[in-house]
Amino acid sequence: AQSVTQLDSQVPVFEEAPVELRCNYSSSVSVYLFWYVQYPNQGLQLLLKYLSGSTLVESINGFEAEFNKSQTSFHLRKPSVHISDTAEYFCAVRAPGTYKYIFGTGTRLKVLA
Amino acid sequence: EAQVTQNPRYLITVTGKKLTVTCSQNMNHEYMSWYRQDPGLGLRQIYYSMNVEVTDKGDVPEGYKVSRKEKRNFPLILESPSPNQTSLYFCASSLNTPWVDGYTFGSGTRLTVV
Repeated sequence: AQSVTQLDSQVPVFEEAPVELRCNYSSSVSVYLFWYVQYPNQGLQLLLKYLSGSTLVESINGFEAEFNKSQTSFHLRKPSVHISDTAEYFCAVRAPGTYKYIFGTGTRLKVLA
Repeated sequence: EAQVTQNPRYLITVTGKKLTVTCSQNMNHEYMSWYRQDPGLGLRQIYYSMNVEVTDKGDVPEGYKVSRKEKRNFPLILESPSPNQTSLYFCASSLNTPWVDGYTFGSGTRLTVV
C-alpha cells in the first residue's frame, strides 16, 4: 500500500538558516505529491504540489520541493527561514488504486530567534 | 469568499450522546472528506465522498457516519461518541480529486468526549 513517511517529527532551526523537511513515499508507480502547511490553530493550506514536468516545484513564500523518483522522495526546502514559517508541515499522496488521500504524520518546524 | 465552513469549532459532549458536525462548501466541489488529527498520527481519513449520494470509508471509519444529500454539505455523525473519538476534526473539499486539485480545508472542530 502507498504511504508517506515523514522521518522528523520536530525540526528546530534558527532564523535565516536553511531547512529541509523530509518526505518519502513507498510506491514506485507514478505519484502526485503535495505539501501542506498548518499554522497554529488553523486548518491546513496547500503549499505546493508535483504532478508532472519539472521535478523542482516552488511555492510563493520561498519553499521548494524536488521530486526524486530514484530515491522516492519529495523533500521540502527553504534556504532561509523566518519566524513566521513556524508551523506543522504535511506531505500527502493518493493511495494507489483507491480514492483515498493520505497524509504523513507531519513535521513541526520551529524557527528560533 | 470561497471556503469550507465547519460547525461548531469546539464541542464537549458526554459518552453516548449523538452529535453532528456540519460541513459546507461554496465552491461547487465534487470531492469532500473528513479527517481526524491526533498528535503523532497526522491526519487520518474517516470518510470521503466523490459526489452526491456517493460515499466511502477511509482508513478510520468505525464509529462515524456521513451523508451527501446535496453537493455542498457533508455532515459527520457520531451516533454514540466514545472518549477515543476525542480529536481535532477537519472537513476538506476538492474541485474533482485532491491528488490533482488539492484540498481546501475547514478551520477544524475540536471535539472532547467525556
